[in-house]
Amino acid sequence: DADVTQTPRNRITKTGKRIMLECSQTKGHDRMYWYRQDPGLGLRLIYYSFDVKDINKGEISDGYSVSRQAQAKFSLSLESAIPNQTALYFCATSDVGLAGGDEQFFGPGTRLTVL
Amino acid sequence: AQSVTQLGSHVSVSEGALVLLRCNYSSSVPPYLFWYVQYPNQGLQLLLKYTSAATLVKGINGFEAEFKKSETSFHLTKPSAHMSDAAEYFCAVSDYGGNEKLTFGTGTRLTIIP
Repeated sequence: DADVTQTPRNRITKTGKRIMLECSQTKGHDRMYWYRQDPGLGLRLIYYSFDVKDINKGEISDGYSVSRQAQAKFSLSLESAIPNQTALYFCATSDVGLAGGDEQFFGPGTRLTVL
Repeated sequence: AQSVTQLGSHVSVSEGALVLLRCNYSSSVPPYLFWYVQYPNQGLQLLLKYTSAATLVKGINGFEAEFKKSETSFHLTKPSAHMSDAAEYFCAVSDYGGNEKLTFGTGTRLTIIP
């Protein structure tokens, strides 16, 4: 079984709808992240959480919200979807190492299309 | 603020030829540097990382990268390209000290010519 799973894998929705993307991990990591990937722009950080009680905005948080329901679960919501939120969304996790520079482990991605 | 610049959004090399993907970084503190690979329809996976130990870092699948502070570079190389290397490659930087936010480059799509 995959260590980091994302549901759904693909979603088509309409402008104005509320959408939730879910991420679960079995790696036991405290840190979780949401990114979006757009062609030619690489990956940009939306939100991140260093533990269950810690939520932080990333580079492009406007129009998004998150919930850290448990150590293993981190959900991303689009309150009112708009077409420019069409993108590939990735969840990632990392451990807290003594030396830093820890690897992030990525889920398979959710392809979201907003019509 | 830290950043990375990847020169060349698309690179094509012949099978068996040298692969060179360029990455330059900007950071006000000693950086951690990473190369990730994304195969079609998959998430990202780590190829290698620099964390202030040896400046020449070896990764998976025969890739390596050299940290050059004087050039602020962390270029990715592989002596002989294989068809299975076709993918998108991302360079990323994070701050030294345990703040594990990654800043990614815009990516380089590598095409292997048979």
